[in-house]
This record gives sequence, structure tokens and C-alpha cells, in this order.
Amino acid sequence: AQKVTQAQTEISVVEKEDVTLDCVYETRDTTYYLFWYKQPPSGELVFLIRRNSFDEQNEISGRYSWNFQKSTSSFNFTITASQVVDSAVYFCALSEQAPFQKLVFGTGTRLLVSP
Amino acid sequence: EAQVTQNPRYLITVTGKKLTVTCSQNMNHEYMSWYRQDPGLGLRQIYYSMNVEVTDKGDVPEGYKVSRKEKRNFPLILESPSPNQTSLYFCASSSGQGRSLYNEKLFFGSGTQLSVL
Repeated sequence: AQKVTQAQTEISVVEKEDVTLDCVYETRDTTYYLFWYKQPPSGELVFLIRRNSFDEQNEISGRYSWNFQKSTSSFNFTITASQVVDSAVYFCALSEQAPFQKLVFGTGTRLLVSP
Repeated sequence: EAQVTQNPRYLITVTGKKLTVTCSQNMNHEYMSWYRQDPGLGLRQIYYSMNVEVTDKGDVPEGYKVSRKEKRNFPLILESPSPNQTSLYFCASSSGQGRSLYNEKLFFGSGTQLSVL
């Protein structure tokens, strides 16, 4: 069965600090897809990234970076030089199928960035 | 603009009064689904649909119904709502070409906050 664990319930940092959000997943499939979504206080879900299991290349997008390690079944998300606008709940999710009939979500990590 | 539209954004109702949350997408997507979000539980899938007239249960289907009569619409029906269905609901869609489209993702609606009193 597939499972996603986000052990950090809430993280508080001060602006400009770097912060890493952890995501550990479980799946029996050799092909799978990992996602990160951001949920700001307004409530909508904002897509951040999708990573395929057969592509272990790490990704950087501005202040955001993702570290995908199959050996430890982890897909961690780092925000460099955090800003107040980064305050949100972040969800990691896993799909064992395309076209993503079902995403299994972690319980989310709430990030609070104070000025 | 490509989008998934849910209505209403907020809904307060009473136990037992049937309600429908609408969901519509303008991307000609084959695949649509419903999730509910609860504190400490993340998002859980309620129902999904692979195409018109094809629907199946997700992880938490009890107390919900769906229909897919048209490709663009996927309403969520609560025949007799109960307080434990108070939640934030999300509709989602994707094209069904996940393997071939590198950046294919699930598009989510803005959410419907439902309160059942």
C-alpha cells in the first residue's frame, strides 16, 4: 500500500532562514510520481512540482529546491532565504498510476515564517 | 484560462438536507476526482471518474454520490449530510496522459468549505 509521511507538523522560522520540509513515502511500485503542493491561507492548492520515479535528478526553481532520494524513499523540499509569503501548509503526495487516478497525500507541514 | 471551477466556495447546511457541490473543468480532461481535507489527515480521495459514465470509489466514499454525465462536469452529491462530513472539499482533473506529458499534474479547484450543523 502506498503511504506518505510528513513527520513535521509545524515549523516556525524567521525570514531569510533556510528550511527543509521532509517527505518520506512508501510504495511497492517501481514507477510512481511524487508531488508537492502549497496551500496558502486562502485555501487553494498550488502545484509546485512533480517528480517521476525514473528521474532522480534534483530540481531547483528560484528559492525552492527538491532532493529526491530513492535509496531513502524521500522527497524533501528546501526553501532558501524564506519569506513571509512562504507561510502556508505544504503537502507531499504520491501517485502509483498515471493519469493519477489517486494521489495519496501526507498530513501536511505548516510553515510559519515570521518577519 | 485553464481551470477547475467549484461552487459554492462556502456552504452551511443542516443535517439531512440534500446538497450538491458542482465541479466543472474547461480543459477537456478525461479524469476527474473529489477529495476531502481534514485537519491532521491531509487530503483523502472520495470518488474518481476516468471518463463519462465511468466512476469508482476512492478511500472514503461513504455518504457521497457522484455522476459523470458530461465530460466537463463532476458533481458531488450528499444525499443526507451529517456533521462528520464537515470538511474542505476539492475537485481535481487531469488529462489522462500522465506518462507522456512530463509536467502533467492534477489541477485542483479552489475548494468548497462545507459545514453541516
